[in-house]
Order: sequence, then structure tokens, then C-alpha cells
Amino acid sequence: ETGVTQTPRHLVMGMTNKKSLKCEQHLGHNAMYWYKQSAKKPLELMFVYSLEERVENNSVPSRFSPECPNSSHLFLHLHTLQPEDSALYLCASSQGLAGGPLGELFFGEGSRLTVL
Amino acid sequence: AQSVTQLGSHVSVSEGALVLLRCNYSSSVPPYLFWYVQYPNQGLQLLLKYTSAATLVKGINGFEAEFKKSETSFHLTKPSAHMSDAAEYFCAVSPRMDSSYKLIFGSGTRLLVRP
Repeated sequence: ETGVTQTPRHLVMGMTNKKSLKCEQHLGHNAMYWYKQSAKKPLELMFVYSLEERVENNSVPSRFSPECPNSSHLFLHLHTLQPEDSALYLCASSQGLAGGPLGELFFGEGSRLTVL
Repeated sequence: AQSVTQLGSHVSVSEGALVLLRCNYSSSVPPYLFWYVQYPNQGLQLLLKYTSAATLVKGINGFEAEFKKSETSFHLTKPSAHMSDAAEYFCAVSPRMDSSYKLIFGSGTRLLVRP
């Protein structure tokens, strides 16, 4: 496996379910991110982890709970979601924080979430 | 506040025609600027970036962009469109405040290429 891998690629869940999205990067990077991509909206940064510590939480509702057990893995735990949370969730990694001269973001293919 | 504006949510060109995707930024300090591309059912991929070296930046797949400070622009161009260029393109700015970095994405421009 190379690059950034996200599972599952598609997820349908009810509002009372609990599920998790998984992201794994094989690039040796030290920062990982969760982004939300909704139709007709700019990409929304949700969480940033640098060296396994959360460095940014962009006012994300508590029904989204991130976990970064090591520098290669990132999870997004989901519970009691709302239909408006339906979106493509993108994981990314970088060496150095994104936006810096070395901080090119490498994205996974995303997990398409549908909340019924 | 720093921001980035992409003019035109959709741009349609004929195959072989010039591609021009517009990006304007707002930043109080010289920024870093990026273009990313997203093909259908895929994540975003870096096309090119400006980090204060040459103002004309060449990227992958024949794309290039020019940083114009006086116009606060970083437009993306390609001389001749190919069908495989059909995708969504995102401009992003990093204002480089206090040595911390924050990447701000535009809303994206969907490029359609007509045969």
C-alpha cells in the first residue's frame, strides 16, 4: 500500500448509529488531517494532528471524535450524526504542517458518508 | 482575514483550447499559494505551489500559474486542454502568519472539456 488509504469508501448510517472512519498513511509524514467536503462549499478543515497531538479543532461538533493512536493512523469516530453531516470526508497527511514550504498535503480518496 | 476567491464555479472549454482558471487571494503578508486538482471519486492532488521563488510556477500535466502581487492573483493556465483535464480545481493560500501555517481553500472551479 502506498500513499493515504481511507476505509470505508462508502458508509450509510442512521442517526443513532456509531461508526468510525479509518485513515492510514504510508508516507512517513508527521501531520494528519480530517477535512469535510460538502457540495457547493469550500473544503472545511476539521482536525489537525501533528506528532500525534491534536493542534487544531475547528469548532467541530462533539458528535465527531478524532483519534490519532500513532503517526500513521487517524480515526474519526461518528455518533448520533445528523443528515446535514452527509459529505465526503477526506483524510490527508503532510511532512510539516500544511501551508508551509514543505507542507504539501497528500489526500486519501475519501469516505462518502450518508446519514439517513 | 485571509481568504481566497475562485471566479467561476464552472469553466467549459473545447479540447485544445486555452485553460484559464482564476484565483485571487487576500493576505496581509506574502503568502504561499497552491493549486490542487480533484478527479472524480478521488482525493485532492497537488498541481503546483508558489513559495516565493520564481513567480511563474510550472506544475504537473502541463499546467502553470503566475504569482502577481500587484493583482493579488495566482491564475492557473494550460495552453491546450485535454479531455483528461476535466476535474475540479482548488486554489489555496497560506498566509504564513507568525511562522505558523494555515491552508485556506477556495470553493473550487469545475473544468469541463468539450470534445
